[in-house]
Amino acid sequence: QQQVKQSPQSLIVQKGGISIINCAYENTAFDYFPWYQQFPGKGPALLIAIRPDVSEKKEGRFTISFNKSAKQFSLHIMDSQPGDSATYFCAASTSGSARQLTFGSGTQLTVLP
Amino acid sequence: DTAVSQTPKYLVTQMGNDKSIKCEQNLGHDTMYWYKQDSKKFLKIMFSYNNKELIINETVPNRFSPKSPDKAHLNLHINSLELGDSAVYFCASSPRDRSLSGNTIYFGEGSWLTVV
Repeated sequence: QQQVKQSPQSLIVQKGGISIINCAYENTAFDYFPWYQQFPGKGPALLIAIRPDVSEKKEGRFTISFNKSAKQFSLHIMDSQPGDSATYFCAASTSGSARQLTFGSGTQLTVLP
Repeated sequence: DTAVSQTPKYLVTQMGNDKSIKCEQNLGHDTMYWYKQDSKKFLKIMFSYNNKELIINETVPNRFSPKSPDKAHLNLHINSLELGDSAVYFCASSPRDRSLSGNTIYFGEGSWLTVV
């Protein structure tokens, strides 16, 4: 059972455009929602994260929008750059002694120059 | 300095062999993990471990076993390797505190395992 569903699987955007990746979750106990960025040959790295007590968080060109009632959250990349080309994963977890992240299936973003 | 380091980066081995992947973190974190990334890039947790508890994903075959000699190390042992074990294995760690940053998981660069 996939607890975090991510779409689209792949995304191609022109330089300067807006990239939008969506995720939906099922477990209402999730209280932490990060986005990870993974470049080829590297491990995933935290990009930005949000807790459900806020509806939006912005860090530079990256924004998370969170809709608790719909159990959905999304990543917006403004002014997308070729260097943003990577695989993006949404994730969710609950607080606890072992903070296990449940990942979405990933989105391969390609930003064309 | 690499925060979470794992060795080897690449490993090619034959079916039936036993192999280990080593992991070390110098972040002072109290929890370490092993994740598996398959050919479709899907990330799935295998184990999480701190000095109090080991949590095993029930879908992980018992041929896989984590071993932690100390707080900074969590090695992955795999017995009787099968073709389907070919994947990228990521070690990771996270700190104790329960702030937003405390949920951050830091990943190593991965170990590419190919079973032939």
